[in-house]
Amino acid sequence: NAGVTQTPKFRVLKTGQSMTLLCAQDMNHEYMYWYRQDPGMGLRLIHYSVGEGTTAKGEVPDGYNVSRLKKQNFLLGLESAAPSQTSVYFCASSYGRLGDYGYTFGSGTRLTVV
Amino acid sequence: GNSVTQMEGPVTLSEEAFLTINCTYTATGYPSLFWYVQYPGEGLQLLLKATKADDKGSNKGFEATYRKETTSFHLEKGSVQVSDSAVYFCALSRGAGSYQLTFGKGTKLSVIP
Repeated sequence: NAGVTQTPKFRVLKTGQSMTLLCAQDMNHEYMYWYRQDPGMGLRLIHYSVGEGTTAKGEVPDGYNVSRLKKQNFLLGLESAAPSQTSVYFCASSYGRLGDYGYTFGSGTRLTVV
Repeated sequence: GNSVTQMEGPVTLSEEAFLTINCTYTATGYPSLFWYVQYPGEGLQLLLKATKADDKGSNKGFEATYRKETTSFHLEKGSVQVSDSAVYFCALSRGAGSYQLTFGKGTKLSVIP
């Protein structure tokens, strides 16, 4: 099905390890986003991209890096994982006119850092 | 800055009961407003939206009206079903041309038979 695909779905890391979360969309959307979801906190924006080759910081960017080398892919990296990064991570994408179309979300990656 | 405040949950209702989930917002300009729904183990899905004052968004029996005078976008459904059990998020954007959403903290709804 067309949409946003996130890999992996689950991961357990040890403190200090690194990993990359992959987000792929096949809708030719210009804009892509990484959010984290924590109990009682809602969704918080980590980083976003307004087009291929561009990235920008969101609300909670510390400890994360991103890259958008291809329009359809948006990667989220953790260089040195910490227990505070235990969360569910959601990728989303959108057309430019957000007011008309909103976001399309992936199904999430549940990350546990021990 | 922009912010969204939702009623705290969890909310537990019997099947066929009336549902209201309150949402108020703070924003400059003329934001667009959204309700998203997240079923267990899944990502968020757009439920309905409204892009200007007095607009009513509707989908799957849910409705919400964009009230600029009270800065509100309350979600309602006349008769809930067990399958409506989910977490509901209110969100706003800064309007046409914006590309960021600000989310509320979510309200968990449980519907019991």
